[in-house]
Amino acid sequence: EDQVTQSPEALRLQEGESSSLNCSYTVSGLRGLFWYRQDPGKGPEFLFTLYSAGEEKEKERLKATLTKKESFLHITAPKPEDSATYLCAVQAGNNNDMRFGAGTRLTVKP
Amino acid sequence: EPEVTQTPSHQVTQMGQEVILRCVPISNHLYFYWYRQILGQKVEFLVSFYNNEISEKSEIFDDQFSVERPDGSNFTLKIRSTKLEDSAMYFCASSELRTQYFGPGTRLLVL
Repeated sequence: EDQVTQSPEALRLQEGESSSLNCSYTVSGLRGLFWYRQDPGKGPEFLFTLYSAGEEKEKERLKATLTKKESFLHITAPKPEDSATYLCAVQAGNNNDMRFGAGTRLTVKP
Repeated sequence: EPEVTQTPSHQVTQMGQEVILRCVPISNHLYFYWYRQILGQKVEFLVSFYNNEISEKSEIFDDQFSVERPDGSNFTLKIRSTKLEDSAMYFCASSELRTQYFGPGTRLLVL
């Protein structure tokens, strides 16, 4: 069965303290891996799509990378406004549906 | 920037009642989806819709659920006879190809 596992469940950082979030997956025929940000009570906000191992995408303080088994979301010098839950999701096989991980709840203290 | 919109933002209903959740996808998108998120749990896929028919559905999407695109802009999810366990956030999403863009959600509370 396809699995998406995110770690850690929660992460507390000081402002400016860089770190990485992990998303490991076991799927057959990965078509795409997606990162979203979700604020409390809101819908997932799209961040990145990665399609193949070795691919990297960057946006402001965030950088996403992909290997054959996992993806990392690197956060450089985070600010309090980066506090949110970060969700990883995969598409696999011939399906368009996405399977989500449980998310990493990031808190950045000033 | 185009975005997915959903109405209502909140819905409270009695068990056994029918509810219709509405979505306006991004205008040039061809694929439409519904997901749900029970409080504190993962986002779960319900159904995808393309070319005026269901293309995929999960085991959650049983006979009490239905979807419809009644006109050129709206996409609806109907729950025929709500149960307590249907209480959740329901998200609509749309995509042109693979990347899905989500709406703000409808919080459904079944009493």
